[in-house]
Amino acid sequence: NAGVTQTPKFQVLKTGQSMTLQCAQDMNHEYMSWYRQDPGMGLRLIHYSVGAGITDQGEVPNGYNVSRSTTEDFPLRLLSAAPSQTSVYFCASSQDSNTEAFFGQGTRLTVV
Amino acid sequence: GQQVMQIPQYQHVQEGEDFTTYCNSSTTLSNIQWYKQRPGGHPVFLIQLVKSGEVKKQKRLTFQFGEAKKNSSLHITATQTTDVGTYFCAGTRGNEKLTFGTGTRLTIIP
Repeated sequence: NAGVTQTPKFQVLKTGQSMTLQCAQDMNHEYMSWYRQDPGMGLRLIHYSVGAGITDQGEVPNGYNVSRSTTEDFPLRLLSAAPSQTSVYFCASSQDSNTEAFFGQGTRLTVV
Repeated sequence: GQQVMQIPQYQHVQEGEDFTTYCNSSTTLSNIQWYKQRPGGHPVFLIQLVKSGEVKKQKRLTFQFGEAKKNSSLHITATQTTDVGTYFCAGTRGNEKLTFGTGTRLTIIP
């Protein structure tokens, strides 16, 4: 099992560009989530999904879109990148929100 | 909304000293999870506590869940250089989303 696979690992964007961060898991987990990590801020929840076809907003959803068309994939879209979105992004999956979460390797995004 | 705070934000200790991080929630939690993130790495699950007043141990690590299920602590006895990293607590209310604390970054002075 590969676990949770995130791509890319590094990305530099210009302000206003759009992009999609990919996240895939092969553990048949229902619950998937995206977090951003900034110094001193911990892990802040962007969006999450409790199953295919269901998504919901977390603490900091503005500027991001998600979809969950399959159980395996949970892509995160930046619609129009801003410097404030410079961060490290983590995707995680678990059977549900009350069980162990498995994290991807992270994507370090810089918006210039 | 649910908020989970951790203190301290940073902790520097001499190797061999003990370390404790505290986690406090504004609401009663269904369970508390603890994760460790090594520098440059991703968070890795350590343990989950479910019951009020629960205490669990993993070698030199002791985890506690408060009686009111609103706070938790992680205590490391006799720290080693391998303990370096950021420790996060995370909690849920029922089947709601998993919310992470702000983390405590531990550095060890050899």
